[in-house]
Amino acid sequence: ETGVTQTPRHLVMGMTNKKSLKCEQHLGHNAMYWYKQSAKKPLELMFVYSLEERVENNSVPSRFSPECPNSSHLFLHLHTLQPEDSALYLCASSPAKGGTEAFFGQGTRLTVV
Amino acid sequence: DAKTTQPPSMDCAEGRAANLPCNHSTISGNEYVYWYRQIHSQGPQYIIHGLKNNETNEMASLIITEDRKSSTLILPHATLRDTAVYYCIVTGRRAAGNKLTFGGGTRVLVKP
Repeated sequence: ETGVTQTPRHLVMGMTNKKSLKCEQHLGHNAMYWYKQSAKKPLELMFVYSLEERVENNSVPSRFSPECPNSSHLFLHLHTLQPEDSALYLCASSPAKGGTEAFFGQGTRLTVV
Repeated sequence: DAKTTQPPSMDCAEGRAANLPCNHSTISGNEYVYWYRQIHSQGPQYIIHGLKNNETNEMASLIITEDRKSSTLILPHATLRDTAVYYCIVTGRRAAGNKLTFGGGTRVLVKP
């Protein structure tokens, strides 16, 4: 238990569906992150939010849309995904100040059919 | 952020110390060395980090060379539950969040 909770743990969706991944932390952190981990590839940083403002967007396709309504919650809205988007999506949080450790959730295993 | 180089895999015996090397020859003065590990199908777990001094916590020790161009993570008494991929990451202190760039890591297999 890391203090970062992701739901759902598993998700199967069709290419025309719209779904959302949720991440919640009550560690008092004010930076949150989305990572993607495809099979046999390193983790890729997708988005960084600091103090509820998006500060990094690593050339992620627009079919992935993040939302950070407050410092404890982070969402990843998904629409018209492709099968190659199937992956483990990981959320993390940390204090906004750099030089500190990040805590990761257990991830959502997404399968696009 | 500086790039890191780690061996792709290593085996170690249960109960023995595991020494995991990492090269980061282009590290700059304000960059930290972080270690994380990822047990199969779980999220990465923070282990330890340091700037230039050696560090120790309940999980591991981090030895950073004097020139800071390499470091070693030491798991003092490896157990079967330490089987995981271990990532060495170098990143600077930012005003807005961390930017952890994960490479391939070292796949560690602890054997009975």
